[in-house]
Amino acid sequence: DAKTTQPNSMESNEEEPVHLPCNHSTISGTDYIHWYRQLPSQGPEYVIHGLTSNVNNRMASLAIAEDRKSSTLILHRATLRDAAVYYCIGVQVGTYKYIFGTGTRLKVLA
Amino acid sequence: DGGITQSPKYLFRKEGQNVTLSCEQNLNHDAMYWYRQDPGQGLRLIYYSQIVNDFQKGDIAEGYSVSREKKESFPLTVTSAQKNPTAFYLCASSIGAGTGFEKLFFGSGTQLSVL
Repeated sequence: DAKTTQPNSMESNEEEPVHLPCNHSTISGTDYIHWYRQLPSQGPEYVIHGLTSNVNNRMASLAIAEDRKSSTLILHRATLRDAAVYYCIGVQVGTYKYIFGTGTRLKVLA
Repeated sequence: DGGITQSPKYLFRKEGQNVTLSCEQNLNHDAMYWYRQDPGQGLRLIYYSQIVNDFQKGDIAEGYSVSREKKESFPLTVTSAQKNPTAFYLCASSIGAGTGFEKLFFGSGTQLSVL
């Protein structure tokens, strides 16, 4: 299983960019990197995922290091609604095991 | 709207009692999952099912059982053998295929507590 490591918590000011790091040094060449976020008392929701190149969608951007040992989720302008726990996970091809760590709790300051 | 419905939202279990948590999806997804979340912790995989009539144990399957008789339904039974069942239970689904590309879709969870 691809193990990921994230900081326990981070803070950001509202309307400023946020860079959430994730280390996944044991990831294999075919593992996708997924990001999900969870608001209090709710189920996680999908944010973004990628394999090798950087990815953008309406919620965020994902920057993947060239050696794939780390990645960064970028929220371009944090809002109070972005306060959540963010999970980075590596998903192995051929398995259905999405293994969640403890994630990063993001606090957004008004 | 398509999605995953978990019920009930809150459930209480007496000592020695089995309880069943419901999970229904209308996304036409092949794969379904059950996770457990303890306060301040991440999600731990209990069981997953790639297709109807087939399921696999996750990392913490002891004290739990599942069935997958219909594509849209994946109920989880917390048995009396699970000595510490108090947790937030999350059901999820994905299209299937196991390529690693598929996104997970989650329900809103069931909070189980012991009386």
